[in-house]
Amino acid sequence: SQTIHQWPATLVQPVGSPLSLECTVEGTSNPNLYWYRQAAGRGLQLLFYSVGIGQISSEVPQNLSASRPQDRQFILSSKKLLLSDSGFYLCAWIPGAYEQYFGPGTRLTVT
Amino acid sequence: RKEVEQDPGPFNVPEGATVAFNCTYSNSASQSFFWYRQDCRKEPKLLMSVYSSGNEDGRFTAQLNRASQYISLLIRDSKLSDSATYLCVVISSNSGYALNFGKGTSLLVTP
Repeated sequence: SQTIHQWPATLVQPVGSPLSLECTVEGTSNPNLYWYRQAAGRGLQLLFYSVGIGQISSEVPQNLSASRPQDRQFILSSKKLLLSDSGFYLCAWIPGAYEQYFGPGTRLTVT
Repeated sequence: RKEVEQDPGPFNVPEGATVAFNCTYSNSASQSFFWYRQDCRKEPKLLMSVYSSGNEDGRFTAQLNRASQYISLLIRDSKLSDSATYLCVVISSNSGYALNFGKGTSLLVTP
């Protein structure tokens, strides 16, 4: 069966520090992968998506970046965090028929 | 105008009640429609897909009206465990088939 992992589960980082969140998928190959963010009191916002290794599309211009170094690995990064980067970060993938499944998420608090 | 709009609620209903959630979408080229459920501080999970002919899964019934660009979810015989946020989700052909989320409707079922 397919599973999706994210780590860390929670993170507290000071403003200006770097960020690296990792997402990996098991049990499939060449999945479409997505990063979403859910800020407090707001809906889920698509940040990046990737249809293959090295292929990244950005939906929202900001101080975040994404990379896909391996087929089943998707990384979200920042060089300098802002207070507004706080939120619940979710990685998702499509097994088929457009349904998406989410990883357990990383709750980031920028202080 | 936001692409997917929902009444945020909260909806407070007693056990056994029937409750209906509505959702509208603005992109007439939208292709796929879903309801997701999100428990507090957890990732969203697929509840059901929504088809033009309407579909039912136990106590849950989903309807789609493409002409009006309107989606609904009906929950019959509410249970305490139905308390959650219900997210209306639309997929369009752009953005790599990423999900467009409404902000969600909060449901609290009380004894």
